[in-house]
Amino acid sequence: DTGVSQDPRHKITKRGQNVTFRCDPISEHNRLYWYRQTLGQGPEFLTYFQNEAQLEKSRLLSDRFSAERPKGSFSTLEIQRTEQGDSAMYLCASRHRDEKLFFGSGTQLSVL
Amino acid sequence: GENVEQHPSTLSVQEGDSAVIKCTYSDSASNYFPWYKQELGKGPQLIIDIRSNVGEKKDQRIAVTLNKTAKHFSLHITETQPEDSAVYFCAGRRPPNMLTFGGGTRLMVKP
Repeated sequence: DTGVSQDPRHKITKRGQNVTFRCDPISEHNRLYWYRQTLGQGPEFLTYFQNEAQLEKSRLLSDRFSAERPKGSFSTLEIQRTEQGDSAMYLCASRHRDEKLFFGSGTQLSVL
Repeated sequence: GENVEQHPSTLSVQEGDSAVIKCTYSDSASNYFPWYKQELGKGPQLIIDIRSNVGEKKDQRIAVTLNKTAKHFSLHITETQPEDSAVYFCAGRRPPNMLTFGGGTRLMVKP
């Protein structure tokens, strides 16, 4: 257990529904990342927060995706109007000042 | 942006043999290269990392080498055990923040 918690572990939803995932980073880590991983591929960067500021967003993050980290602690990732192509593992990771990035166990999203 | 390529995609070894996984990167500004192990249903777990000012790093049965000139780095696992079976990912960090991952190598250690 790395200390990064993600909830839920699994989410099954119907196309068109909205979903929200939560990530609780390691407590002293001020940098938080969201990645997406599809089967057989490496994780792909989605977005990055330093404290409560969202500093970088990937082109993968369409307008249907929004992420927040309101108090610089936990973060949420919301997907609106889900599509089948959104089915993936959504990974959260955090780090402090050094480069070591620690991942949570992920939320597996299945869009039917 | 950074592009990281990883080979082979699958690797099967006999228990006790060594395993080597190789990665190349494109961005000469990348300065940090971690390796992650991912087991089924779990998130990636950091197993070893190396910074660009170091050529080699070792931690028990695991070692990583980096050739900055050629822009490639490798993971070496010696005396493999069945519990080493997993998917391994290399990554490169382009300053200031983002890690770019390779496509992964599925390692199978046969008892």
